[in-house]
Amino acid sequence: LQLQESGPGLVKPSETLSLTCTVSGDYISGSSFFWGWTRQPPGKRLEWIGTISSSGTTYYNPSLTSRITVSVDTSKNQFSLKLTSVIAADTGVYYCATERRDSFNYIDQWGQGILVTVSS
Amino acid sequence: DVVMTQSPLSLPVTPGEPASISCRSSQSLLYTNGYNYVNWYLQKPGQSPQLLIYLTSNRASGVPDRFSGSGSGTDFTLRISRVEAEDVGVYYCMQPLRSPWTFGQGTKVEIK
Repeated sequence: LQLQESGPGLVKPSETLSLTCTVSGDYISGSSFFWGWTRQPPGKRLEWIGTISSSGTTYYNPSLTSRITVSVDTSKNQFSLKLTSVIAADTGVYYCATERRDSFNYIDQWGQGILVTVSS
Repeated sequence: DVVMTQSPLSLPVTPGEPASISCRSSQSLLYTNGYNYVNWYLQKPGQSPQLLIYLTSNRASGVPDRFSGSGSGTDFTLRISRVEAEDVGVYYCMQPLRSPWTFGQGTKVEIK
């Protein structure tokens, strides 16, 4: 299974950050995996952002709930992240990843990451 | 949120020698099923994080047996029995028990 993030590397403050993760080697539809986003601001710790199941159930970090939407497009075998009203603190490397959310909770396979800079 | 605190933040190591990293959580990570929900990740230079240990002490697929995890409640440890050059990078503990999942600040392991 492989994951590849895509999207703009530069976003202006107050605009919307939109990223897509393309999954290969497995199908999102019917998968027991969950599909999530984690980010790493420069010099800071990793931060879990949000997750979606193959059936569309979402889990969001409460600190970002008002600004994020995670969605899935099973026809394209992709899932996406939208983060609205971005600020400089949203700058960082964004990773998509598979997650297990059963009795073995963990983030499993990670994409290579995409650097997103918020700047005018 | 559960705060994960690692120590040390920097760890110079000698190849062939053991090494250990501590992780403390602000809340107990022991669940009613008896499992302690702590995972460990290694982010090698220029790479994405990779899962090393889940549920405190279970090695992920392909992880060498020189890596081991232990602990319970709020105190956890990752040990490397004999450090190899390929083990350099930043190690993170992470709790997936309480939402939001949270990470430690990372421990940078480098060769002396």
